[in-house]
Amino acid sequence: DAGVTQSPTHLIKTRGQQVTLRCSPISGHKSVSWYQQVLGQGPQFIFQYYEKEERGRGNFPDRFSARQFPNYSSELNVNALLLGDSALYLCASSPGQSNEKLLFGSGTQLSVL
Amino acid sequence: DQQVKQNSPSLSVQEGRISILNCDYTNSMFDYFLWYKKYPAEGPTFLISISSIKDKNEDGRFTVFLNKSAKHLSLHIVPSQPGDSAVYFCAATGWAGNQFYFGTGTSLTVIP
Repeated sequence: DAGVTQSPTHLIKTRGQQVTLRCSPISGHKSVSWYQQVLGQGPQFIFQYYEKEERGRGNFPDRFSARQFPNYSSELNVNALLLGDSALYLCASSPGQSNEKLLFGSGTQLSVL
Repeated sequence: DQQVKQNSPSLSVQEGRISILNCDYTNSMFDYFLWYKKYPAEGPTFLISISSIKDKNEDGRFTVFLNKSAKHLSLHIVPSQPGDSAVYFCAATGWAGNQFYFGTGTSLTVIP
């Protein structure tokens, strides 16, 4: 069975640009969450989507947005990139909305120059 | 404000011995706790979880203990193996369960 897949695996952008990261959840999973992991820190919650609706948002600026499609895949968009946005962006899926283990993809490593 | 804390950035253990990784939390509303293992350039891999109605959960070599009064959980790995060398994160969530709070991780090195 395929796990959570993310694309691209690596990305280099310059300040001010926009980026779109993609995630496909495990088959049958309806919830997708996005986390940002800065080097030396634990993952930080950005968004959760369940059944195509935003169900939670972390403490991130409005430059960060996301959506979930009818097939439950998801995109994370970041506008007006800053150097501080350089991080590993992790997508996780779970079957339902709450209190279930998150299964993570391998992440997208974003470098902003 | 760090609601989940792992105060030991690193731990070294001899192969075959017990590894004990600790985690503290501040939010009394947390009721579901998980441990993840992470290798460089990979996403976190789920290891084991525990809900607040239990104080212990075992899965093979891995056991998680929860002390709700102390707001403390620990992960025991027995016996430790070199392949266990990785960064371990604890995570917690509350009743809504849609946001998980992670600690900063403990880097475990198992010495052959």
